[in-house]
Amino acid sequence: DARVTQTPRHKVTEMGQEVTMRCQPILGHNTVFWYRQTMMQGLELLAYFRNRAPLDDSGMPKDRFSAEMPDATLATLKIQPSEPRDSAVYFCASGLGETGGSQPQHFGDGTRLSIL
Amino acid sequence: RKEVEQDPGPFNVPEGATVAFNCTYSNSASQSFFWYRQDCRKEPKLLMSVYSSGNEDGRFTAQLNRASQYISLLIRDSKLSDSATYLCVVNSANTDKLIFGTGTRLQVFP
Repeated sequence: DARVTQTPRHKVTEMGQEVTMRCQPILGHNTVFWYRQTMMQGLELLAYFRNRAPLDDSGMPKDRFSAEMPDATLATLKIQPSEPRDSAVYFCASGLGETGGSQPQHFGDGTRLSIL
Repeated sequence: RKEVEQDPGPFNVPEGATVAFNCTYSNSASQSFFWYRQDCRKEPKLLMSVYSSGNEDGRFTAQLNRASQYISLLIRDSKLSDSATYLCVVNSANTDKLIFGTGTRLQVFP
């Protein structure tokens, strides 16, 4: 089965450090999504791309978060500088997107981030 | 008001029971609807899409009522392995964005 691959699976670091999370979408999928999940807020969309172009990053704190897709096989989410409130599970998902509708998304295993 | 609302539960049911989850959504222009399942400390996984005419997949039946903006999931003959959080998911109209409910937790006991 094709899967979305995320690295690292776990990350513990001190506040102020830069954190980079990576995602390899399923081959052939043209949309990539970054989500954050916490107990209090549930699953929140941070940003998403279609055909590598950023379409919506309104859910992302712009001052410290950045999302890029350098090529079709890699998406990155960076936090600089990190803060304890960024501690959460970050999921990447991919799908076959088209305007006017929506297809199911397939999730990676997530990155469990703890900022001390 | 949240875009997708679900009863958080937990629903505690014995094996073999039938259990139903409900979900309401606020955007009448939404076009695609799904149920996802999430196990503890795992990623969400697609359980089933929800179609206007209703659809069934084994022990699972999904229904959609567009007029009331209401989605349901029925699980028959519950198994211990059905214990998980069930997420109601609706697309944001005319985009690829999916809006996730906060989930309904199900615990099936022997």
